[in-house]
Amino acid sequence: AQSVTQLGSHVSVSEGALVLLRCNYSSSVPPYLFWYVQYPNQGLQLLLKYTTGATLVKGINGFEAEFKKSETSFHLTKPSAHMSDAAEYFCAVSDRSGGSNYKLTFGKGTLLTVNP
Amino acid sequence: DTEVTQTPKHLVMGMTNKKSLKCEQHMGHRAMYWYKQKAKKPPELMFVYSYEKLSINESVPSRFSPECPNSSLLNLHLHALQPEDSALYLCASSQEGTTNTGELFFGEGSRLTVL
Repeated sequence: AQSVTQLGSHVSVSEGALVLLRCNYSSSVPPYLFWYVQYPNQGLQLLLKYTTGATLVKGINGFEAEFKKSETSFHLTKPSAHMSDAAEYFCAVSDRSGGSNYKLTFGKGTLLTVNP
Repeated sequence: DTEVTQTPKHLVMGMTNKKSLKCEQHMGHRAMYWYKQKAKKPPELMFVYSYEKLSINESVPSRFSPECPNSSLLNLHLHALQPEDSALYLCASSQEGTTNTGELFFGEGSRLTVL
């Protein structure tokens, strides 16, 4: 069974500061990993994903994440926070051993607040 | 702009009402999903349709009835709901088969309030 742990349900940073949102996963097979962002009263939008290949993945809005197999981690970073980054962030893992339908397992989410 | 469109955006219904949530996608995806999301929680999978056939039902109460009329449309019929069913209902779609990486494309959701 796969699982996702997001460390810190709430992260607060100052505008212009580094953003670091932590995600650790467990999976019996090499995973596909995702970060989604959700703004208030909206759906989830894909920030970035890791499937195969380069372990440093760049996404939208200046975010990037690095897949570290040895640490079973997929932390999300952004060098300089902007007020518009305030949102809920979900890390997710896809179990690709499950046949044609892949069940996405979400972490509990991290609420990012950005202070002026 | 999202390519998965959900209607209505907001719905208020009584416990005896019958209503439906609708979802449409035009990305050629052959898998479609319904998720339920309570405040400050991650989305919870309810149903998955693959090639218009129900492939996953996560033990959802029968007062929720999904329907997939064609590859672009997904409905969720609601009947005799309870106040605890109030939530954001998210529709999503994905590719199928060997191109499926598990990436989901979400709509903006339908906010349901049951009185």
